[in-house]
Amino acid sequence: EAQVTQNPRYLITVTGKKLTVTCSQNMNHEYMSWYRQDPGLGLRQIYYSMNVEVTDKGDVPEGYKVSRKEKRNFPLILESPSPNQTSLYFCASSSRYQQGREKLFFGSGTQLSVL
Amino acid sequence: TQLLEQSPQFLSIQEGENLTVYCNSSSVFSSLQWYRQEPGEGPVLLVTVVTGGEVKKLKRLTFQFGDARKDSSLHITAAQPGDTGLYLCAGYSDRGSTLGRLYFGRGTQLTVWP
Repeated sequence: EAQVTQNPRYLITVTGKKLTVTCSQNMNHEYMSWYRQDPGLGLRQIYYSMNVEVTDKGDVPEGYKVSRKEKRNFPLILESPSPNQTSLYFCASSSRYQQGREKLFFGSGTQLSVL
Repeated sequence: TQLLEQSPQFLSIQEGENLTVYCNSSSVFSSLQWYRQEPGEGPVLLVTVVTGGEVKKLKRLTFQFGDARKDSSLHITAAQPGDTGLYLCAGYSDRGSTLGRLYFGRGTQLTVWP
C-alpha cells in the first residue's frame, strides 16, 4: 500500500530536549516536505526536498533542521524545542514536479507538545 | 503574507443545503488543488484543475478554476453530514524562483448537521 509513515503519532517533551520526527515513504517519490498546522493559520511549509541531498527552506524554517540522505526518508529535527513549536506536524511526498499535476500524499500527523 | 485566501473560514449548514467555498489570489498558479482533511488525519487530494476556466465534477462536488488561473471555487450540492471536514485549496507556483512549490490556503471548516 502506498503510504507516508510518520513517527511518533504523539510526542510530549520539555523545552530544550532534542527530538527527531521520522518520515518515510514507499512510493519512490522525489519530492518530500514538512508542514506544521496551527488553528487559524493553516498548513505552513517548514522545509522541502526536491531530491536526495537537496533541501530548501519553506516559510517557517526557524528552529528546525532536516536531512535527505536517502530517497525514502526525510526526518525533521528540533535541536532545542520551544513551546512555540507545539503544533501538529505533517510530512508529505509527491513525484517530481510536472506542471502541477502531482498528488501530494500526507502522513497521519505528529502532535507535538513542548512544555 | 497569505498567498491563497480562502472564504469563508467556517461554514455550518443543514443537510440538503448547497454551499460554495472560494479560494482567491493575486498570483497566477500552474494548477489549483483541493484537499479534504478529517480530524486526526492528513489531507487527501480531491481534485486538480489545470486549465483556466476548467470545471470538474466529483459526484455532488463541482470545482472550477478561474479563467486567469488565480482563483478557484468548490460548490457542494445537497450537502450531507459525511461532507463535514476541513477543505483546503492549494496552488502550484509557476514562478521561476518558486517553481514547483505548493502553497496552501488556511482552509474552510465545514460542518453539515443532520
